[in-house]
Amino acid sequence: NAGVTQTPKFRILKIGQSMTLQCTQDMNHNYMYWYRQDPGMGLKLIYYSVGAGITDKGEVPNGYNVSRSTTEDFPLRLELAAPSQTSVYFCASNKGPSAYEQYFGPGTRLTVT
Amino acid sequence: GQQVMQIPQYQHVQEGEDFTTYCNSSTTLSNIQWYKQRPGGHPVFLIQLVKSGEVKKQKRLTFQFGEAKKNSSLHITATQTTDVGTYFCAGNSGNTPLVFGKGTRLSVIA
Repeated sequence: NAGVTQTPKFRILKIGQSMTLQCTQDMNHNYMYWYRQDPGMGLKLIYYSVGAGITDKGEVPNGYNVSRSTTEDFPLRLELAAPSQTSVYFCASNKGPSAYEQYFGPGTRLTVT
Repeated sequence: GQQVMQIPQYQHVQEGEDFTTYCNSSTTLSNIQWYKQRPGGHPVFLIQLVKSGEVKKQKRLTFQFGEAKKNSSLHITATQTTDVGTYFCAGNSGNTPLVFGKGTRLSVIA
């Protein structure tokens, strides 16, 4: 099993550009999450999904969109990138509600200039 | 909303010294999880605590969950250079998503 995979590993965007961060898991997990990690700020939840077709906002959803058409994939869309979205983005998945450990992908380092 | 606070933010220790990080929640937690993130890496799950007063050990690591289920600690005995990284606690109430603390970055001086 590859676990949770994310692409790309690195990306530089210009202000106003858009992009999609890809996340795929092969563990048949129902729950998937997107976090952003800023230096010294821990992990902040952007969006999460409890199953295909169901998504919900986390703590910091503004400027982002998600979709969940399959169990395996949970892409994160950035529209009109802003410097404040410069961060490391982690995708994670687990079997169920928060009582189960989360498996994290390797992350995408995004810079918006 | 729920907040999870973690202290200290940084800790520098000599190899062989002990290390402790503390986690406090503004609300009673259903469970608490601990993760480790190596420099440049991603968070990796260490353990989960669910019972009031629970204590779990993993080799040199000891995890505690407070009696009121609002605080937790991670203690490392005789640190090694392999312990370097950031340790995060994360908790939730009911079925709400996990809330992560800001983490404690541990440096170990050989």
